[in-house]
Amino acid sequence: EPEVTQTPSHQVTQMGQEVILRCVPISNHLYFYWYRQILGQKVEFLVSFYNNEISEKSEIFDDQFSVERPDGSNFTLKIRSTKLEDSAMYFCASSVDRGIKNIQYFGAGTRLSVL
Amino acid sequence: KNEVEQSPQNLTAQEGEFITINCSYSVGISALHWLQQHPGGGIVSLFMLSSGKKKHGRLIATINIQEKHSSLHITASHPRDSAVYICAAGVSKGSARQLTFGSGTQLTVLP
Repeated sequence: EPEVTQTPSHQVTQMGQEVILRCVPISNHLYFYWYRQILGQKVEFLVSFYNNEISEKSEIFDDQFSVERPDGSNFTLKIRSTKLEDSAMYFCASSVDRGIKNIQYFGAGTRLSVL
Repeated sequence: KNEVEQSPQNLTAQEGEFITINCSYSVGISALHWLQQHPGGGIVSLFMLSSGKKKHGRLIATINIQEKHSSLHITASHPRDSAVYICAAGVSKGSARQLTFGSGTQLTVLP
């Protein structure tokens, strides 16, 4: 069964460093998403992406975040200068079609630890 | 103000019991999603509802648009059903379309 793949599963970084989280969405999906879950808190929407541009973004997704689809398969989330409060589980998801009426398929997540 | 509220926060059941998890939302939605988060953290989509009822195996999800309420039922619960169950409302805010998540219900099914 097709699945969304995220790498790495765990990333440890020093405060102020840049990190790139990687995702390979399901191959025929066109819409991609990043979510964040701080330990013990709700999952929060960060950004959605379609046709090589950001479709929606939340208040959390400020200038230190960026997303990119550098080739035909990968979808990346970059955090430019990590802060302690960026420590969280980051989930990538993809869906065939746009909108909130479409099932989103989630990756297993990348746990980011900022020291 | 929490736009999506789940109850209960924690639920412990004996194997075989019928389980209900509730979700209420305070905003107009286009769709309501139920998700399962495994102990390792991975998230699986269970249902997307915009009206009525859906069934998949032992799982049943219902939604009442007028009352802004959805329920997830598990029949003949099993220890492998132990997980966090999350509802997420597909909220339309102007041109924005995004999911707003509840806090989750931690379900533990004892053998």
